[in-house]
Amino acid sequence: PVLTQPPSASALLGASIKLTCTLSSEHSTYTIEWYQQRPGRSPQYIMKLKSDGSHSKGDGIPDRFVGSSSGADRYLTLSNLQSDDEAEYHCGESHTIDGQVGYVFGTGTKVTVL
Amino acid sequence: QVQLVQSGTEVKKPGASVKVSCKASGYTFISYGISWVRQAPGQGLEWMGWISAHNGKTEYAQKLQGRVTMTTDTPTSTAYMELRSLRSDDTAVYYCARDSPSGLESFDYWGQGTLVTVSS
Repeated sequence: PVLTQPPSASALLGASIKLTCTLSSEHSTYTIEWYQQRPGRSPQYIMKLKSDGSHSKGDGIPDRFVGSSSGADRYLTLSNLQSDDEAEYHCGESHTIDGQVGYVFGTGTKVTVL
Repeated sequence: QVQLVQSGTEVKKPGASVKVSCKASGYTFISYGISWVRQAPGQGLEWMGWISAHNGKTEYAQKLQGRVTMTTDTPTSTAYMELRSLRSDDTAVYYCARDSPSGLESFDYWGQGTLVTVSS
């Protein structure tokens, strides 16, 4: 798979959690996007995250959502975890394979706030 | 504020077609593109394709090529996605999302989703 995400993660209310999206070796320098999807809701854009760790957030995304990168791994750290953060987090990337442009999402990580 | 409002729930029989609309407001429609993403029940997100609202250029996911057509209507700031020869595994919530002018970048605003059920 192009993007790999662990299926689940959990942390206590008020704690921090670090989510990982791992790119395939061929795509290790690619930029990704992070999306949050609360149960029964549409996805919401969180940020664009580059291989150097620089990122640009969407409207209304709080400062406690921070992106970082290391090699083929892209991270999303949520600090001071709130009950509202309980959601599925998807990463996605655009690519060109055999001349065909496309966009692929990871399988998502379900975050539970304990 | 940016809003994307989609058409309502659809129930279709196998082999039929469905056309979902996505009406945009709060921004200059022709300055962006629209991507379509679907999500089957209990599954992840699947990108279907993109259309430039500026010039109508499209890019479709390889697995849907030949069955999907995306169009826009500039006077009404509305994007459309038509899927033909529906199968049961096309049952999903279909989302439109605002995309960059060049396509396949940040899907920064999303519609509320349209449930399409394919069943005999």
